[in-house]
Amino acid sequence: DVVMTQSPLSLSVTLGQPASISCRSSHSLVYSDGNTYFYWFQQRPGQSPRRLIYKVSNRDSGVPDRFSGSGSGTDFTLKISRVEAEDVGVYYCMQGSHWPPGYTFGQGTKLEIK
Amino acid sequence: EVQLVESGGGFVKPGGSLRLSCAASGFTFSNAWLSWVRQAPGKGLEWVGRVKGKIDGGTTEYAAPVKGRFTISRDDSRNMLYLQMSSLKAEDTGVYYCTTEGDSYWGQGTLVTVSS
Repeated sequence: DVVMTQSPLSLSVTLGQPASISCRSSHSLVYSDGNTYFYWFQQRPGQSPRRLIYKVSNRDSGVPDRFSGSGSGTDFTLKISRVEAEDVGVYYCMQGSHWPPGYTFGQGTKLEIK
Repeated sequence: EVQLVESGGGFVKPGGSLRLSCAASGFTFSNAWLSWVRQAPGKGLEWVGRVKGKIDGGTTEYAAPVKGRFTISRDDSRNMLYLQMSSLKAEDTGVYYCTTEGDSYWGQGTLVTVSS
């Protein structure tokens, strides 16, 4: 089965500074149709998850442009150019290219303000 | 405005059954691909299963831990999504969210507790 491994698992960042989260897949996420079904989600404390990025690098509607996604194959990165207080929460990567096992999440990365 | 409202969570003993519901509004429900995702207390997200839209055959797929025990269904006439859970185990405890694919929307979740 495909395994998604995030690093770091926790991150403490000063307001206004950049942050970066890595996600590595055990298998290439390039699907047979040429797309890469890789996503990033944010879950703020006490809230439901919210998708930030779809298909590696596309921001969802309403997502601030300080969030960006990049990567290919097995290695992916979520970058926040300048961390704001509202960015506190847990970030998850997810793959949707391998069926089965179906959608697979990373363990999550907890972002806090230093 | 898109809304997903889950209900039906509660306390159930191991081996028991429970049916969750998700009431949807604000989008074309019959064509939507819908998933259930769960989150054990203090843990990460786990995909449970999904149902495709009617135009795509309405087929279902499940995660290995729930296959054979959980059944996803939909009622397009009522804009409702369901998760029938049986042979429940303690490890099924958590908040269950319904979500849409394509444009990603999530409900607020409903808590299921499996305990003796």
